Amino acid sequence: DTAVSQTPKYLVTQMGNDKSIKCEQNLGHDTMYWYKQDSKKFLKIMFSYNNKELIINETVPNRFSPKSPDKAHLNLHINSLELGDSAVYFCASSQSLSGGSYGYTFGSGTRLTVV
Amino acid sequence: AQTVTQSQPEMSVQEAETVTLSCTYDTSESDYYLFWYKQPPSRQMILVIRQEAYKQQNATENRFSVNFQKAAKSFSLKISDSQLGDAAMYFCAYSGSGTYKYIFGTGTRLKVLA
Repeated sequence: DTAVSQTPKYLVTQMGNDKSIKCEQNLGHDTMYWYKQDSKKFLKIMFSYNNKELIINETVPNRFSPKSPDKAHLNLHINSLELGDSAVYFCASSQSLSGGSYGYTFGSGTRLTVV
Repeated sequence: AQTVTQSQPEMSVQEAETVTLSCTYDTSESDYYLFWYKQPPSRQMILVIRQEAYKQQNATENRFSVNFQKAAKSFSLKISDSQLGDAAMYFCAYSGSGTYKYIFGTGTRLKVLA
């Protein structure tokens, strides 16, 4: 039973398309995150939600819009995809905002390729 | 702003030997947490070990241990009795108390030679 599951695992799409990545956690955690890992393997936070409330919104193009319908789900919608959006996107969760100090549980990542 | 530096892009170790991966960080906070994460080819991010800055004792988890030098802002990971399954990217990460996000280093690719 996967703790943090992301779908799809791979996504290949053309420039200009709109796509969504879904994330679900069954750990009962309050806080969820989206991180982006670029082609050089560098990981950077994009967003975090705590109990459906947006807590962190880093400098991310507004083509990226997160949505949290409930605290177990955090989706990422991307409009007008660009070549530079190609990356691996990781969803993660922690028990609470401060629970991140105990470590995150990561999903297995979604490799997005924009052609 | 906090930064995390991993100065070794790649390291190699013979199976059964010991290797140390380096990490330095910069912060003005006194209360924070440090982590090492492993990312094997499967892409999954796996927590290896964590350290609380207010604890002087170095964290250990089986074959993995850290050398935490708070004054020097250094947090190295020692892997003893290296195994083929240890081959992966290793990321050092910092989380300040109250900042609710991680700052990651650029990673070190560890190769384990049979």
